[in-house]
Amino acid sequence: AQSVSQHNHHVILSEAASLELGCNYSYGGTVNLFWYVQYPGQHLQLLLKYFSGDPLVKGIKGFEAEFIKSKFSFNLRKPSVQWSDTAEYFCAVIPSSGGYQKVTFGTGTKLQVIP
Amino acid sequence: EAGVTQFPSHSVIEKGQTVTLRCDPISGHDNLYWYRRVMGKEIKFLLHFVKESKQDESGMPNNRFLAERTGGTYSTLKVQPAELEDSGVYFCASSQDYGASNEKLFFGSGTQLSVL
Repeated sequence: AQSVSQHNHHVILSEAASLELGCNYSYGGTVNLFWYVQYPGQHLQLLLKYFSGDPLVKGIKGFEAEFIKSKFSFNLRKPSVQWSDTAEYFCAVIPSSGGYQKVTFGTGTKLQVIP
Repeated sequence: EAGVTQFPSHSVIEKGQTVTLRCDPISGHDNLYWYRRVMGKEIKFLLHFVKESKQDESGMPNNRFLAERTGGTYSTLKVQPAELEDSGVYFCASSQDYGASNEKLFFGSGTQLSVL
């Protein structure tokens, strides 16, 4: 079975600071990788996903993530955060052969951006 | 388009009581999933419906949990009797296509269940 680790549980940044949230997974085969975000009071929504091809994936709202296969990592980055990025971020993994019933989420990282 | 809606948004019940959570998926979405997040832990899969059929219920914790999807439309998740460890946020999600490569999953806002 796969597992996902998000090492940062709570991150506090000032506006305009750069962001990097760590995500590491363990699985013996190929995977599809996702980052989801939940803004306060809202539903979970997809930020970006990686299936194959260019390991640097660009998502919505200026976020990007890089898949480093050798490190089993899929870290989320944003060069300059805004107050509106305050949210909880979840990394998720699905085996390439599976569907969303096989998804494994990380424990989430709460990001607080201070104006 | 209307999103996935869940009712209620919050529920506070006492141990031993029964609670029923409801999920209305996006119209036309055959796939419906239930997930749960216990406080501070990861979001975990509970079960998957394709239309009215349970495709996979391997994540259901025990037989106190019963999920149904009447006519392949809305779904209910009943917990009877509720225990303290059932507290958490219950998410519903729906999609039109199956398979992670093509599937776009839409989540509801979740139901916060507190069992006292």
